[in-house]
Amino acid sequence: GQNIDQPTEMTATEGAIVQINCTYQTSGFNGLFWYQQHAGEAPTFLSYNVLDGLEEKGRFSSFLSRSKGYSYLLLKELQMKDSASYLCAVDQTGANNLFFGTGTRLTVIP
Amino acid sequence: SAVISQKPSRDICQRGTSLTIQCQVDSQVTMMFWYRQQPGQSLTLIATANQGSEATYESGFVIDKFPISRPNLTFSTLTVSNMSPEDSSIYLCSVGIQGSGYTFGSGTRLTVV
Repeated sequence: GQNIDQPTEMTATEGAIVQINCTYQTSGFNGLFWYQQHAGEAPTFLSYNVLDGLEEKGRFSSFLSRSKGYSYLLLKELQMKDSASYLCAVDQTGANNLFFGTGTRLTVIP
Repeated sequence: SAVISQKPSRDICQRGTSLTIQCQVDSQVTMMFWYRQQPGQSLTLIATANQGSEATYESGFVIDKFPISRPNLTFSTLTVSNMSPEDSSIYLCSVGIQGSGYTFGSGTRLTVV
């Protein structure tokens, strides 16, 4: 079956580092996306991994291990505006669309 | 990346009625999708809108309930038919562009009363 698992909620302190994990089992794999979604808004693209390893983009980094079916999103120097839901999504081979995890709601506290 | 204009941004509708949501893209795209996001949940794919042929629906979604049009490569509509309160959700269109990933419209927040 197909499944993407993420923690439902996380809380972290402003200025700290937080890691949001995502494990997946899908029928085919063409890459993994991370999206940020603020309440009441559409998802916005954060990162894309197709090869194993770490992709760094400013305060955000994303890691992928295809053999383990595992990814994480790392947020550094947390800011209050980072409070949002973070969605892990897999681009499945042949499907040409995204299969989403349930999302992780991150709350950043002072 | 593509710019997507989706409307209406929100609506409150009576049960039993239908609402058509429009999605306009600023460039021609092959892949266009419609998602539903129920309150507090993640995105679920409703269907892939195919230009020139019938949409491809995911399990649990049917054409009679969610008819989709795709008259050209820049435009699509999703209709939510015979609405009930359970259809209250955010509906999002999305486009996929090779090498650029997937972009989402701003969403339509539907409340059925």
